[in-house]
Amino acid sequence: AQSVTQLGSHVSVSEGALVLLRCNYSSSVPPYLFWYVQYPNQGLQLLLKYTTGATLVKGINGFEAEFKKSETSFHLTKPSAHMSDAAEYFCAVSSAANDYKLSFGAGTTVTVRA
Amino acid sequence: EPEVTQTPSHQVTQMGQEVILRCVPISNHLYFYWYRQILGQKVEFLVSFYNNEISEKSEIFDDQFSVERPDGSNFTLKIRSTKLEDSAMYFCASSSMTAYEQYFGPGTRLTVT
Repeated sequence: AQSVTQLGSHVSVSEGALVLLRCNYSSSVPPYLFWYVQYPNQGLQLLLKYTTGATLVKGINGFEAEFKKSETSFHLTKPSAHMSDAAEYFCAVSSAANDYKLSFGAGTTVTVRA
Repeated sequence: EPEVTQTPSHQVTQMGQEVILRCVPISNHLYFYWYRQILGQKVEFLVSFYNNEISEKSEIFDDQFSVERPDGSNFTLKIRSTKLEDSAMYFCASSSMTAYEQYFGPGTRLTVT
């Protein structure tokens, strides 16, 4: 079984401030981890992924995430928020043992204050 | 850049009616998925499809649901007799042989009245 917990359903940051979105996962087998972003009235866009290898992964739009096996975490960060980062962010886990189906967290809505 | 497309973008139907949601996955992809997101809730897996058959389905995917790949390009989700609780955004996704990354379509918003 696999699952994801995202801490904080809503995060508000000032423009230029650090964005930190927390994700913890549960998986009985080596996980593949993903962050997706959803802008209003749009589909899910892949931000970044961890499969194997380097534990710090970089994605689009200046985001990065670090896989920490000991903490079962995959937190998403961006050093300096931009107004265009306002969206909903979903952490997800999959594995080969589960036919690669994605299990999503509940999502975190980010608002950016000018 | 290749993308997953879905039609219609919004479907309104009456309870008990059949609906078919259509998806065109990325052309060289081999794995296909349907997910749904009820308003205010998390995105949930419905079914995965590979090599012309269902490879896994969730408990949500009961006998009222079916999927089909009728030709080389379309991937459809049919709900035989819709219920109010089927109202949700339905997302189609596809992935290539590596299956690590799933690419999502823009979704179909289904409203059952």
